[in-house]
Amino acid sequence: DAGVIQSPRHEVTEMGQEVTLRCKPISGHNSLFWYRQTMMRGLELLIYFNNNVPIDDSGMPEDRFSAKMPNASFSTLKIQPSEPRDSAVYFCASSLRLAQETQYFGPGTRLLVL
Amino acid sequence: DQQVKQNSPSLSVQEGRISILNCDYTNSMFDYFLWYKKYPAEGPTFLISISSIKDKNEDGRFTVFLNKSAKHLSLHIVPSQPGDSAVYFCAASVRNAGNMLTFGGGTRLMVKP
Repeated sequence: DAGVIQSPRHEVTEMGQEVTLRCKPISGHNSLFWYRQTMMRGLELLIYFNNNVPIDDSGMPEDRFSAKMPNASFSTLKIQPSEPRDSAVYFCASSLRLAQETQYFGPGTRLLVL
Repeated sequence: DQQVKQNSPSLSVQEGRISILNCDYTNSMFDYFLWYKKYPAEGPTFLISISSIKDKNEDGRFTVFLNKSAKHLSLHIVPSQPGDSAVYFCAASVRNAGNMLTFGGGTRLMVKP
């Protein structure tokens, strides 16, 4: 299995621009998670889906952030408009079931907003 | 308020010796604990886990110990190898509450040859 795939691996954009991060979970996994890693806050959960349905988005920092999962093999995290404080590494992870504790992480997208 | 804390941001160990990484938690509802390892430019990878009904779990060179009364867990790596050099994250979850992972801040382990 290819594991969790994220694209792009690196993104540099200017403040105010829209940013879209993409994730393909491991085939057969029913739960998908978006995390953000920063120096100040460490690794924090933004939102998670189960069977393509958002379950908890309480970790999403602001309305500028939105996430979708149109089907079992694809999810997006969108930031519009982006701000310099959004600069971080964004990870996507998936697990076989919501009740399965082991989450498998993608390589991350390093975002820099200038 | 950080519910999972790793108070040592870094640890340096000689090859062949034991590495001990520590983690403390405050939420008594946590009943499952995991350790993840992360290399630069990669995502965290699952290493080992332990349920709150146990106090020890071993997998090869890696052993996790859980002290529920102290709300403390530790990861022992014996013997340490240079390839173990990475950032180690402790994580905790409540199985009946969506099972979401709460991560500690990580400890960077450096194993010197």
